[in-house]
Amino acid sequence: KAGVTQTPRYLIKTRGQQVTLSCSPISGHRSVSWYQQTPGQGLQFLFEYFSETQRNKGNFPGRFSGRQFSNSRSEMNVSTLELGDSALYLCASSLATSRQETQYFGPGTRLLVL
Amino acid sequence: DAKTTQPPSMDCAEGRAANLPCNHSTISGNEYVYWYRQIHSQGPQYIIHGLKNNETNEMASLIITEDRKSSTLILPHATLRDTAVYYCIVRVAFGNTGKLIFGQGTTLQVKP
Repeated sequence: KAGVTQTPRYLIKTRGQQVTLSCSPISGHRSVSWYQQTPGQGLQFLFEYFSETQRNKGNFPGRFSGRQFSNSRSEMNVSTLELGDSALYLCASSLATSRQETQYFGPGTRLLVL
Repeated sequence: DAKTTQPPSMDCAEGRAANLPCNHSTISGNEYVYWYRQIHSQGPQYIIHGLKNNETNEMASLIITEDRKSSTLILPHATLRDTAVYYCIVRVAFGNTGKLIFGQGTTLQVKP
């Protein structure tokens, strides 16, 4: 079974621009979560989507948003990019059943904001 | 904040067992202990998880103390490819939203 895939893998943007990242979960997985990883703050939870609904959100400004489609694929968007948004963005998927909630991570998208 | 405490770094000789400790003294009865590792700049890789019994899979063993306040991840025969940051995470067993709280983890360096 194919793992979590993320596109693009690398991205360079300039301040003020906006960016959209994509995540395709493992087949059959219904939950997709997004994380940001920076050297200073480590791995931080952004938000989680389940059945096209956001059901949990981390402590990030409104510039960070996401959505999930009916096939469970998810996108996250960052508007008005700042230099501090440079990070590795990771998505993780899980079956999200009562007995199987283990999250499996994708390889990440590395975003550089200049 | 993370609910776990791990040593920042550890060394292990190649071929020897690597024992990575984790303290989670405030763990609740309905919380699992999960272990992930992250090899440089890759996505975290799931290793193993457990509730109160010891667990073993093809990658590692997880030993949880009887009071559940600490655990140890054991890599039985460490190789150079096991060099990574290892994260110990506690999370609610069921019905949790997909939120993992990562601490700083333990950087394991496997040496030849």
